[in-house]
Amino acid sequence: DIQMTQSPSSLSASVGDRVIITCRASQSISNYLNWYQQKPGKAPKILIHGASGLKSGVPSRFSGSESGTDFTLTINNLQPEDFATYYCQQTYSVPITFGQGTRLEIK
Amino acid sequence: EVQLVESGGGLVQPGRSLRLSCAASGFTFDDHGMHWVRQAPGKGLEWVSGINWSGDNTGYADSVKGRFTISRDNAKNSLYLQMNSLRPEDTALYFCARDIVWKGAYVTHTWFDPWGQGTVVTVSS
Repeated sequence: DIQMTQSPSSLSASVGDRVIITCRASQSISNYLNWYQQKPGKAPKILIHGASGLKSGVPSRFSGSESGTDFTLTINNLQPEDFATYYCQQTYSVPITFGQGTRLEIK
Repeated sequence: EVQLVESGGGLVQPGRSLRLSCAASGFTFDDHGMHWVRQAPGKGLEWVSGINWSGDNTGYADSVKGRFTISRDNAKNSLYLQMNSLRPEDTALYFCARDIVWKGAYVTHTWFDPWGQGTVVTVSS
């Protein structure tokens, strides 16, 4: 199984900050890496697909990148509605696996 | 509007069975694969199972293999998860989600969009 190691597990930041969340795959997954946002009591929503593809309608302050087996989600100019939990997901092979999640909190 | 509505959750004793359903609307159901993802209380997301558009390719997490069976009825626009030999560690909110790939042969190389709101399964004596 492919392990997805996501860091940090939690993060405190202020409105207007830039934050970076990382995800490392235990083996090559090409670019089959997605990022989701989940707010309390809600279903996850796709933000980034294919490592760097921004889902239509998602603000451009969200971006994704890859370098080998390392993937990053960057959020520029944090907005109040961005405080949530973020998950990476690999769909390269079954079983599909998620990172442990990063809880982004207001400082 | 694409909509997924899960049902069938509830309180069940260890060792018993439960069948979850996911009713789809707002898109051509048999064009897309589907998935089940669960979230234990206060925990992260865990993929449970996926099925391709035609139902002839499926995948399972190791934790449920041999106990859970995913299926679909394209005529009824419905996805199912038959859960047998339930354990306390199966307690979770179960989401269904649409596989974005059109007529994909497999359940990989994709992303999930959208997700339903989930149905709660509690396994306890």
